[in-house]
Amino acid sequence: QKEVEQDPGPLSVPEGAIVSLNCTYSNSAFQYFMWYRQYSRKGPELLMYTYSSGNKEDGRFTAQVDKSSKYISLFIRDSQPSDSATYLCAMSARSGNQFYFGTGTSLTVIP
Amino acid sequence: DTGVSQNPRHKITKRGQNVTFRCDPISEHNRLYWYRQTLGQGPEFLTYFQNEAQLEKSRLLSDRFSAERPKGSFSTLEIQRTEQGDSAMYLCASSLIDRNNGYTFGSGTRLTVV
Repeated sequence: QKEVEQDPGPLSVPEGAIVSLNCTYSNSAFQYFMWYRQYSRKGPELLMYTYSSGNKEDGRFTAQVDKSSKYISLFIRDSQPSDSATYLCAMSARSGNQFYFGTGTSLTVIP
Repeated sequence: DTGVSQNPRHKITKRGQNVTFRCDPISEHNRLYWYRQTLGQGPEFLTYFQNEAQLEKSRLLSDRFSAERPKGSFSTLEIQRTEQGDSAMYLCASSLIDRNNGYTFGSGTRLTVV
């Protein structure tokens, strides 16, 4: 079983929709969680970084962590065509150490 | 600060040849990481440095792979006797110790072994 599971999609939504992206994990020691956005043939770009459980909001993006269920989510409100990319979740047991990544979910926002 | 810089952007090599990639991290970042990403997969950890010390290596990092970070600044990743299975995107990232703000990745070096 992989450390981190993420549905690869693809996910296609109309512009303005609310997008929900999710990951599950098996290692209860994970306590640092990140979401990255990756455009084709580019390096991942950090979107959100959260520690432990709870919610974090940044503009149109909200990250949620439920450690009891080993489940994390990223919500994108008012989705835009420029949000079309692959979204990767990543997590770690300790700050600064290696992160374990999901396979990424491919998102297309249709104008 | 121009972010994390990786060179070359693309490399095509024949099987059996040696290749070397370079990463220049964000100047004040003391941690530097190498990851590998194949098509349709998330990045997989290879190794990381704190300053010039290599602190952790993945079992993915076979004997043909070696990484260095002399003087704690830029880093090089060398692959000897390349194999077709080495074809991937090699990503470098950097961060500050004890700053809970994640990594900053470079744009990667795409290696194709023919």
